Amino acid sequence: SQQGEEDPQALSIQEGENATMNCSYKTSINNLQWYRQNSGRGLVHLILIRSNEREKHSGRLRVTLDTSKKSSSLLITASRAADTASYFCATEETSGSRLTFGEGTQLTVNP
Amino acid sequence: GAGVSQSPSNKVTEKGKDVELRCDPISGHTALYWYRQRLGQGLEFLIYFQGNSAPDKSGLPSDRFSAERTGESVSTLTIQRTQQEDSAVYLCASSLVLNEKLFFGSGTQLSVL
Repeated sequence: SQQGEEDPQALSIQEGENATMNCSYKTSINNLQWYRQNSGRGLVHLILIRSNEREKHSGRLRVTLDTSKKSSSLLITASRAADTASYFCATEETSGSRLTFGEGTQLTVNP
Repeated sequence: GAGVSQSPSNKVTEKGKDVELRCDPISGHTALYWYRQRLGQGLEFLIYFQGNSAPDKSGLPSDRFSAERTGESVSTLTIQRTQQEDSAVYLCASSLVLNEKLFFGSGTQLSVL
């Protein structure tokens, strides 16, 4: 089963609005990362947050991590049509050696 | 090179044939990963290489799948006796630090007829 699960599966918003995606996971982690994928090919790393951090910012991106609830959220502010993509969370478990990806959230930003 | 390079970008093969997929990581990246992504789904871990350590092969779905890496450079993923369920995009990635900030190639779209 997947370590990370994104919610919602799909999100459609208007340009200028904020988009929030959530990721839940099952076991203790070292870090959690968010990636973006356009057109079903290569992924691009967006941001990494470590287990001892609660919030990180990068440009229009804000990531939070709540280890007590085993969940993370990715907020994209002032969305643009170019933000249309699939967004995946990935976790590195403390007990395992692999980086595990969730099923992704498909974000559509309408101009 | 500037990024992770994968070849071929598309591969169509007949059921039962062997295929070999190639990945050129970013120079200096000690960690290299292979993932599989079926249409509309997430990434499925296959294998990773880290420096001179033994590779983590725990994600390989069957003994038809194997992978090699030459030092800290090129890696090949080989699928023997391909089956239709092997059809997917095979993604390679590399990183400086294990499991942090992966750089992905554009993938190989494998279609088994």
